[in-house]
Amino acid sequence: DTAVSQTPKYLVTQMGNDKSIKCEQNLGHDTMYWYKQDSKKFLKIMFSYNNKELIINETVPNRFSPKSPDKAHLNLHINSLELGDSAVYFCASSQDLGGETQYFGPGTRLLVL
Amino acid sequence: DAKTTQPPSMDCAEGRAANLPCNHSTISGNEYVYWYRQIHSQGPQYIIHGLKNNETNEMASLIITEDRKSSTLILPHATLRDTAVYYCIVRVADSWGKFQFGAGTQVVVTP
Repeated sequence: DTAVSQTPKYLVTQMGNDKSIKCEQNLGHDTMYWYKQDSKKFLKIMFSYNNKELIINETVPNRFSPKSPDKAHLNLHINSLELGDSAVYFCASSQDLGGETQYFGPGTRLLVL
Repeated sequence: DAKTTQPPSMDCAEGRAANLPCNHSTISGNEYVYWYRQIHSQGPQYIIHGLKNNETNEMASLIITEDRKSSTLILPHATLRDTAVYYCIVRVADSWGKFQFGAGTQVVVTP
């Protein structure tokens, strides 16, 4: 059983489109995250949610809107996609806000043309 | 959070111990040292963390110097599957799960 899963695994789309990435964790964790890994391989946190509440928003453009329908899911919707949004997006979860041990999903590779 | 410095790359022979250094000379008293790794095309994986004392788990050992300004991650018997980028991160506990990943060390284990 996959602990943290993401769909889709690959996403190729045109500039200006709107797209969503879904994340689900079956670990019973309270806290979930979105990270972005750019072409230089630096991994940066974007958002964190705890029990469906937004905790961290790391000055991410408001074209990015996370949604947590329940604590097992954290989806990422991106409006008006730009070339610079091309990256690998990782979802992660942790038991609680302490977040010492985070479990990462396999990543979604987004390419904006 | 304090910054860390790691060598950009290192090689290790299969079956030998891999010793990965990390400098964190500006670490504060309430900051922990964490290690994660990222195998190619996968999400990062937690390895180990510690505050002052040396720590060991089924994956690795963490040795922290007495002044806490540096640490070493030890993979006791490296396998080819240990080839990955290893990240050393310093972070205050309970900082809402926020990790700042740097460039890490690319470790290549060779047969």
